[in-house]
Amino acid sequence: DAGVIQSPRHEVTEMGQEVTLRCKPISGHNSLFWYRQTMMRGLELLIYFNNNVPIDDSGMPEDRFSAKMPNASFSTLKIQPSEPRDSAVYFCASSPPEGGQGYTFGSGTRLTVV
Amino acid sequence: AQKVTQAQTEISVVEKEDVTLDCVYETRDTTYYLFWYKQPPSGELVFLIRRNSFDEQNEISGRYSWNFQKSTSSFNFTITASQVVDSAVYFCALRTWNTGFQKLVFGTGTRLLVST
Repeated sequence: DAGVIQSPRHEVTEMGQEVTLRCKPISGHNSLFWYRQTMMRGLELLIYFNNNVPIDDSGMPEDRFSAKMPNASFSTLKIQPSEPRDSAVYFCASSPPEGGQGYTFGSGTRLTVV
Repeated sequence: AQKVTQAQTEISVVEKEDVTLDCVYETRDTTYYLFWYKQPPSGELVFLIRRNSFDEQNEISGRYSWNFQKSTSSFNFTITASQVVDSAVYFCALRTWNTGFQKLVFGTGTRLLVST
């Protein structure tokens, strides 16, 4: 199994630009999570999906952030327009249907907004 | 509400020392799962262990051991004979069953520095 695949690994963009982060979960996993990690706030859950349906987006910081999961094998997290304070590592994770399983995390996308 | 507290921000030890990382959790759910993840300097998050709320048996895996005590709501992690490769940030996490859907709540992490 290739694990959770995130792209790009690194992204540098100018303030005001649109940024799209991508995630391919592990096949057969029905839950998908987007986390953001910063020094100040640690690991924050932004949004999670169950069977492609967004369940809880209360962690999405602002309307500038949006996430979609059009099918079971793909999700995107979009920031439009981006701001320097969005600079962070964004992790995608997936987990299987069985209760209590741990998440498998992707390698993360390091976003720098200048 | 669910909460995980890792009071130790950073711990420094010398190789071969034993070290214990503390984790205290809060939840009103009776069914929950506890996890430890390792984040080495390369940045990825590596799953180490899962324990469910009905299983208070301690677990040992090589140099790693975990002590789960419901009475004190703690799930501590001990590394025996630490090595430089153990240097990483370690996260404790809690997953509860709420209306059938599950969120993983992380503590703030403990940075472990193992020197020679």
